[in-house]
Amino acid sequence: LAKTTQPISMDSYEGQEVNITCSHNNIATNDYITWYQQFPSQGPRFIIQGYKTKVTNEVASLFIPADRKSSTLSLPRVSLSDTAVYYCLVGPFRYSSASKIIFGSGTRLSIRP
Amino acid sequence: GAVVSQHPSWVICKSGTSVKIECRSLDFQATTMFWYRQFPKQSLMLMATSNEGSKATYEQGVEKDKFLINHASLTLSTLTVTSAHPEDSSFYICSAHQRGIAGELFFGEGSRLTVL
Repeated sequence: LAKTTQPISMDSYEGQEVNITCSHNNIATNDYITWYQQFPSQGPRFIIQGYKTKVTNEVASLFIPADRKSSTLSLPRVSLSDTAVYYCLVGPFRYSSASKIIFGSGTRLSIRP
Repeated sequence: GAVVSQHPSWVICKSGTSVKIECRSLDFQATTMFWYRQFPKQSLMLMATSNEGSKATYEQGVEKDKFLINHASLTLSTLTVTSAHPEDSSFYICSAHQRGIAGELFFGEGSRLTVL
């Protein structure tokens, strides 16, 4: 499974746009990029998933360049409730017993008033 | 969306006792479930992959006799921490992948184990 590298922490302010970048140089052809959010004492929550170019949903956008060796999660107009740890995961289209899902360090995002 | 439920959400036990944590996929069948352990301010660490109808696959350094995993049906996997000790105190999280469906992994709410 592709190893991912993210900044350990980021700070921002309410109302700002936050971009968190993840490096995954060894991504395989059939790997997808998925971002999760985790609050303290809770399980990770799915945010967004993509394969290439740009994906947008009601909470975030995901930008993936042509070489797919990195990706950027964009959170528009963050609020205090967006303070959490964000994980970038890279894995195959179909998860199976042979496809271990390994978490990287994640990015601890702190939003200030 | 699909939901994965864990039970109990928290448990306190005495050292030397065994504790069972259940992970259920509520509205889908999961052929594969993953068990993670998370210590404070650390990332999730994969413990084992639970496969329906077969033995679990454990990660290096995880004692299979201490962390018993059973995946007897397509909707239930259990993790039993045997002879628990204070160092086993942690946040245990399961995740499940929907059978035949690609992409998203669904995570349980987590179970906090405190061993006295």
